[in-house]
Amino acid sequence: DQQVKQNSPSLSVQEGRISILNCDYTNSMFDYFLWYKKYPAEGPTFLISISSIKDKNEDGRFTVFLNKSAKHLSLHIVPSQPGDSAVYFCAASRNSNYQLIWGAGTKLIIKP
Amino acid sequence: GAVVSQHPSWVICKSGTSVKIECRSLDFQATTMFWYRQFPKQSLMLMATSNEGSKATYEQGVEKDKFLINHASLTLSTLTVTSAHPEDSSFYICSARDGTAYNEQFFGPGTRLTVL
Repeated sequence: DQQVKQNSPSLSVQEGRISILNCDYTNSMFDYFLWYKKYPAEGPTFLISISSIKDKNEDGRFTVFLNKSAKHLSLHIVPSQPGDSAVYFCAASRNSNYQLIWGAGTKLIIKP
Repeated sequence: GAVVSQHPSWVICKSGTSVKIECRSLDFQATTMFWYRQFPKQSLMLMATSNEGSKATYEQGVEKDKFLINHASLTLSTLTVTSAHPEDSSFYICSARDGTAYNEQFFGPGTRLTVL
């Protein structure tokens, strides 16, 4: 049972435009969500997170939105830059448990 | 941010040999370290969780006798792939949890293992 889903395996966006990456989850007990960025042959890098008590968290060009009723979160990157081309993973955890449940990732390609 | 290193970054070995991969937290003490495996175009699969000074907790389906994990100090965990076979070829990633940061894990750069 895949509790965290990223249904788009890839996304192509023009440089300077907004990139929106989506993530859905099924477990209503999840209370913390994270986004990671990963380049090939490297480990993931933490980007931004959000607690379930919030519906938005912003850090520079990155904003994460959480819709608990829809069990949906999204990562917005604006403006998109060529260096943003990577695979983005969303992950979730519950009850202060450090174990992360990962989505399958979305490959973001920023076109010049 | 916190830095986690892995050594080696890549290794090629013969079938039947054992390979040790080290994971170090360089600027913080990691109470918990995690070992992941990533298959091509797939998500990260948690293999085991190790806490300093205690036995690792393995995920279902992961053979603990094949993937030996030792977390001898707050800055070092090792994963030994014993009697490696070609199907063990994969990208292995460790991460370390900073005990003061809620649910943030810092990842190492990964180790590419190829078993011939």
